[in-house]
Amino acid sequence: DSGVTQTPKHLITATGQRVTLRCSPRSGDLSVYWYQQSLDQGLQFLIHYYNGEERAKGNILERFSAQQFPDLHSELNLSSLELGDSALYFCASSFGDRVYEQYFGPGTRLTVT
Amino acid sequence: DAKTTQPNSMESNEEEPVHLPCNHSTISGTDYIHWYRQLPSQGPEYVIHGLTSNVNNRMASLAIAEDRKSSTLILHRATLRDAAVYYCILSGADGLTFGKGTHLIIQP
Repeated sequence: DSGVTQTPKHLITATGQRVTLRCSPRSGDLSVYWYQQSLDQGLQFLIHYYNGEERAKGNILERFSAQQFPDLHSELNLSSLELGDSALYFCASSFGDRVYEQYFGPGTRLTVT
Repeated sequence: DAKTTQPNSMESNEEEPVHLPCNHSTISGTDYIHWYRQLPSQGPEYVIHGLTSNVNNRMASLAIAEDRKSSTLILHRATLRDAAVYYCILSGADGLTFGKGTHLIIQP
């Protein structure tokens, strides 16, 4: 158990809909990273927040957005969903704002039908 | 981000050491070398990281070549629970850039 929690575990929704994925980092960690893992693209970095501020964006679509709240939990919002957005979404946390040791949650499996 | 090259798969026997190679010929002076692994149906798990010197922790050892163009993750005594995809990653500006990794198969 990494100490990172993600909810929900599974999500099934229809194209065009909007969903919110939630992540609670390990106690004491200030950074949250979001990743997408699909069969054809592998694990891709989406976005990084450190202590409430956006630090970097990776391959995140404009239809996706995220935020980190004062209690340090983070939410990833996915809108206008397409079939190709079906994937596993992981969040990871680390203490500092560098990538040295990231601890990953169990993931949220999103299925868009 | 600089690129890494790993074998697609490797096979080893239980209770034997495993050496997982990684080539990173375009590594820059400030890039750290990270290893993560992903067990089936789980999120990636941090294994080890290093910059120039060899590193040891309770999970593994990391041997880094003197020119830093390659490294080797060493599992000293493989168990069936070590069967996973192992990713060698160079630290980029921020998030980790995962490649395809090495699928490690452990035979009992």
